Amino acid sequence: EAQVTQNPRYLITVTGKKLTVTCSQNMNHEYMSWYRQDPGLGLRQIYYSMNVEVTDKGDVPEGYKVSRKEKRNFPLILESPSPNQTSLYFCASTRLSGTTTDTQYFGPGTRLTVL
Amino acid sequence: AQSVAQPEDQVNVAEGNPLTVKCTYSVSGNPYLFWYVQYPNRGLQFLLKYITGDNLVKGSYGFEAEFNKSQTSFHLKKPSALVSDSALYFCAVRLRSGGSYIPTFGRGTSLIVHP
Repeated sequence: EAQVTQNPRYLITVTGKKLTVTCSQNMNHEYMSWYRQDPGLGLRQIYYSMNVEVTDKGDVPEGYKVSRKEKRNFPLILESPSPNQTSLYFCASTRLSGTTTDTQYFGPGTRLTVL
Repeated sequence: AQSVAQPEDQVNVAEGNPLTVKCTYSVSGNPYLFWYVQYPNRGLQFLLKYITGDNLVKGSYGFEAEFNKSQTSFHLKKPSALVSDSALYFCAVRLRSGGSYIPTFGRGTSLIVHP
């Protein structure tokens, strides 16, 4: 089954404690991205990756890091989480073609609370 | 720059009645347009997309959307609403060519279908 998985699904942590949210896709997609969803703000892109070892900032990258060492994995790293990073996070992936018309597949989401 | 506006935070409709969820966009070029649906505690799921060709696009679960270039709109419609259609709906846009692969999402519209 084609899918994007994220772990953990729920996480409560404290300010300053480093954490990683994993994302993995089994569709051999080149493009992967991370979004955060906040009430009234919709989805905002944090980082994206066009392929292995190729990452770039989205609209709200401050306080986040990513890496893309393998095609299937795209972890989101919060080196020193703060309460304003409390949010619902989604990972997504899509295949890149010549016209790049493919839709994005989204993971189930990770609800993060930073105390 | 590209942007998406979903002017209604919430749409209420009675079961069996037609529904419309509005979306307008702004992009400096030809757009790709998408609709996604998010059910409670789930990730976003693709509904339909406009790439080119027929302005009326049919998608999953009986939904359709009409691309109107002059009004820069891509409203989501369904002839007869079901209670199970109650969810959060997101419109998204990105440039067809010459831009990045980053789509811009609207803030979302909560659709509530009353029995």
